[in-house]
Amino acid sequence: GQSLEQPSEVTAVEGAIVQINCTYQTSGFYGLSWYQQHDGGAPTFLSYNALDGLEETGRFSSFLSRSDSYGYLLLQELQMKDSASYFCAVREADNFNKFYFGSGTKLNVKP
Amino acid sequence: DVKVTQSSRYLVKRTGEKVFLECVQDMDHENMFWYRQDPGLGLRLIYFSYDVKMKEKGDIPEGYSVSREKKERFSLILESASTNQTSMYLCAGTSGSADTQYFGPGTRLTVL
Repeated sequence: GQSLEQPSEVTAVEGAIVQINCTYQTSGFYGLSWYQQHDGGAPTFLSYNALDGLEETGRFSSFLSRSDSYGYLLLQELQMKDSASYFCAVREADNFNKFYFGSGTKLNVKP
Repeated sequence: DVKVTQSSRYLVKRTGEKVFLECVQDMDHENMFWYRQDPGLGLRLIYFSYDVKMKEKGDIPEGYSVSREKKERFSLILESASTNQTSMYLCAGTSGSADTQYFGPGTRLTVL
């Protein structure tokens, strides 16, 4: 099975940088994904790491270290619209049709 | 633009009723999923389907069943709704080996 741990809530100010961590215990997976969900909305895909290292997409970057069973999402130049919940997710190696999600981190961006 | 739609945004049902939640995707996705989302628990997989008429149990299938008669449509069925099934239900789709899931807007179900 899979277990993904995230902090429940993070608060930061506009313009700052924030890192949301995801630690996992897994029997094997293909890669680590990140999703954003605004209140009342559907989760939307942000980033994916198939290999160890950093992936950058505009203000958002994601990192994976399989040896440390750890990943993170980095958000730079925070904007008020970044206030949302962020979920890490993995696709199981033994059954690639199964996805597991962390419990989510609520990011509060303050002016 | 990719699209996953769900039949209702809000639904109120009574205990013991049979409930159908419908999901339709227009992306020709092979794989479709039903999750429920509860505060502090994230998204939990109920059932998924990798082809027409094929289904597999997720982590919390008890009290639910599914139907996939056509590739674009995946239905979640609550045979006899109970109050502990009050939740947000999210449908999603992916194609083949892709890791990106496309979610519908969700159905907030309240069972009284």
